[in-house]
Amino acid sequence: DADVTQTPRNRITKTGKRIMLECSQTKGHDRMYWYRQDPGLGLRLIYYSFDVKDINKGEISDGYSVSRQAQAKFSLSLESAIPNQTALYFCATSASTGGEETQYFGPGTRLLVL
Amino acid sequence: QKEVEQDPGPLSVPEGAIVSLNCTYSNSAFQYFMWYRQYSRKGPELLMYTYSSGNKEDGRFTAQVDKSSKYISLFIRDSQPSDSATYLCAMSPYSGAGSYQLTFGKGTKLSVIP
Repeated sequence: DADVTQTPRNRITKTGKRIMLECSQTKGHDRMYWYRQDPGLGLRLIYYSFDVKDINKGEISDGYSVSRQAQAKFSLSLESAIPNQTALYFCATSASTGGEETQYFGPGTRLLVL
Repeated sequence: QKEVEQDPGPLSVPEGAIVSLNCTYSNSAFQYFMWYRQYSRKGPELLMYTYSSGNKEDGRFTAQVDKSSKYISLFIRDSQPSDSATYLCAMSPYSGAGSYQLTFGKGTKLSVIP
């Protein structure tokens, strides 16, 4: 089984709709991240969380919100989806110990906002 | 100037060729350097991890870091069609609070032709 899973893998929605993307991990990591990937722009950090009670904005948090329901679960919400939020969304995890800042990525959610 | 610059390619080479992928960066605080490989419709996966300057070898892959020139490279020897993917460089500064945040290059798309 995959260590970092994301649901759904693909989603089509309409402008103005609220949607939630979910991420679960079995790696036992305390840190979790949400990124979006756009052609020509690379990976950009939306939000990150160091633990259940810690949520931080990343580079491009406007229009997004997150919830860390448990150490293993981190959800990303688009409150009112707009077409320029069409992108590939990745969840990632890392451990705060061990010295290596290695992030492990999920398979991604492809989102299309019409 | 972007913090991390990476030629997006695409780069096409014949099977067996030596591939050189590169990134330049402007932030002298970066201490940790990574290469991720991303297959089509998959999440990025860590390929190589290096700390500070020097070389690191893992099988057919060699990562080089030249901090004086702010330049990192990934070499792939005896390239195989299975190496066809997008390669992302990533880097992170060393600090207790900031070491979580990775800055990614935009990725270089590599095709190895049989």
